[in-house]
Amino acid sequence: QKEVEQDPGPLSVPEGAIVSLNCTYSNSAFQYFMWYRQYSRKGPELLMYTYSSGNKEDGRFTAQVDKSSKYISLFIRDSQPSDSATYLCAIAPWAGGTSYGKLTFGQGTILTVHP
Amino acid sequence: GAVVSQHPSRVICKSGTSVKIECRSLDFQATTMFWYRQFPKQSLMLMATSNEGSKATYEQGVEKDKFLINHASLTLSTLTVTSAHPEDSSFYICSAQPGLAGNNQETQYFGPGTRLLVL
Repeated sequence: QKEVEQDPGPLSVPEGAIVSLNCTYSNSAFQYFMWYRQYSRKGPELLMYTYSSGNKEDGRFTAQVDKSSKYISLFIRDSQPSDSATYLCAIAPWAGGTSYGKLTFGQGTILTVHP
Repeated sequence: GAVVSQHPSRVICKSGTSVKIECRSLDFQATTMFWYRQFPKQSLMLMATSNEGSKATYEQGVEKDKFLINHASLTLSTLTVTSAHPEDSSFYICSAQPGLAGNNQETQYFGPGTRLLVL
């Protein structure tokens, strides 16, 4: 079983739709959760990070973490064609105030938003 | 802020040659830098962790003699792929961690990546 599972898609939605991207993880030691966006042939760009269960909002983006189910989500409201990219969840352990940089990435979900 | 650059952006080389890739944090000091590899349609896989002034820590299955990492300063880390072979062709991405106290202490900022093609 992979440590992080992410549906690779591809996911295709019309402009303005609400997008839901999801990851599950297996190790309860993971306590630090991130979402990255990666455009084709570019490095990942950090969108959001959180340590807690619950929701965290930033503009059109909401990150949701359910530690009891080991499930994390990213919601994109009012999706735009410029949101078309690959979205990667990344998860890390957290101990002693650090993750030691040990990010484990999901496979990435390819999102296309049609005008 | 928090810009990381990589050079070159792409490189094509012959089998058996060595290739050096540079990773620079442009507007912050990075106590720790990371090197990842990404094959087509796959996710990023951590290769090694590099701390300034000390030897890199390699992940299981990564040959340290093949992938030489040098972190000579707080803004520069280099990855040298020695005696490259076609199977080393991949997208190599570095990231840098500011390492300063604060909410973004653990955040990794990624470079744009280097595409390596070994013929």
